[in-house]
Amino acid sequence: EDQVTQSPEALRLQEGESSSLNCSYTVSGLRGLFWYRQDPGKGPEFLFTLYSAGEEKEKERLKATLTKKESFLHITAPKPEDSATYLCAVQANANSGGSNYKLTFGKGTLLTVNP
Amino acid sequence: NAGVTQTPKFQVLKTGQSMTLQCAQDMNHEYMSWYRQDPGMGLRLIHYSVGAGITDQGEVPNGYNVSRSTTEDFPLRLLSAAPSQTSVYFCASSLQVSGNTIYFGEGSWLTVV
Repeated sequence: EDQVTQSPEALRLQEGESSSLNCSYTVSGLRGLFWYRQDPGKGPEFLFTLYSAGEEKEKERLKATLTKKESFLHITAPKPEDSATYLCAVQANANSGGSNYKLTFGKGTLLTVNP
Repeated sequence: NAGVTQTPKFQVLKTGQSMTLQCAQDMNHEYMSWYRQDPGMGLRLIHYSVGAGITDQGEVPNGYNVSRSTTEDFPLRLLSAAPSQTSVYFCASSLQVSGNTIYFGEGSWLTVV
C-alpha cells in the first residue's frame, strides 16, 4: 500500500530563516510526486510535480527535490505570506501494479512564518 | 477562468437526509474525482471518473454515489447522511487519469447533526 509521511507536522520560522520540509514515501512504482499548498478554508493549490529521482523544480522561494525515497521542499528566505499547510502526495504507476487513479496524501506540514 | 467549481460552500444536514454536492470544470478534463479531508488525516479518495459514463470507487466510497453524464459535471450524492460524513469535500480534475497536474476546487464544508 502506498504511504506518505510528512515531517515535521508543524514548523515555525522567522521571516528570512530558510528551512526544508520532508516527504518520505513508499509506492509501487512512482508515476509522480506532487506538492500542494493549502491555505485555511481553501482547496489545495498545485505547486510542483516531480517524476524521477534527481529532478528539481523551483518557483519563487520554493524548490522541490526528489530522491527514490523522499522529497524535500526547500523554502529560502520565507515571508509571512508563505504561511500555509504544505501537502505532499504520490501517484503510483499502473505499469508497476499501482493505483494510478488516485493521489495518496500525507497529513501535511503547517508552516508559520513570523515577521 | 473558473477551473473547478464546487457548490455549496457550506451545508448543514440532519442525520438521514440526502443531498448532492455539485462539481463542474471548464478545462475539458477527462479525469474527475472526489476527496474528503478530515482532521489529522490526509485527503482520501471517495469516487473517481476517467470519462463521461465511467465511474469507480476509491478508498472510502460507502454512503456516497456519483454519476458522470457529461465531461464537465461530476456530482457527489450523500444517500442518507450520517455524522461520520461530517467533513470537507474536495472535487479534483486533471486532463487524464495519470501523470497530469490535478487541480482542486475550493471545497464544500458539510456538517451532519
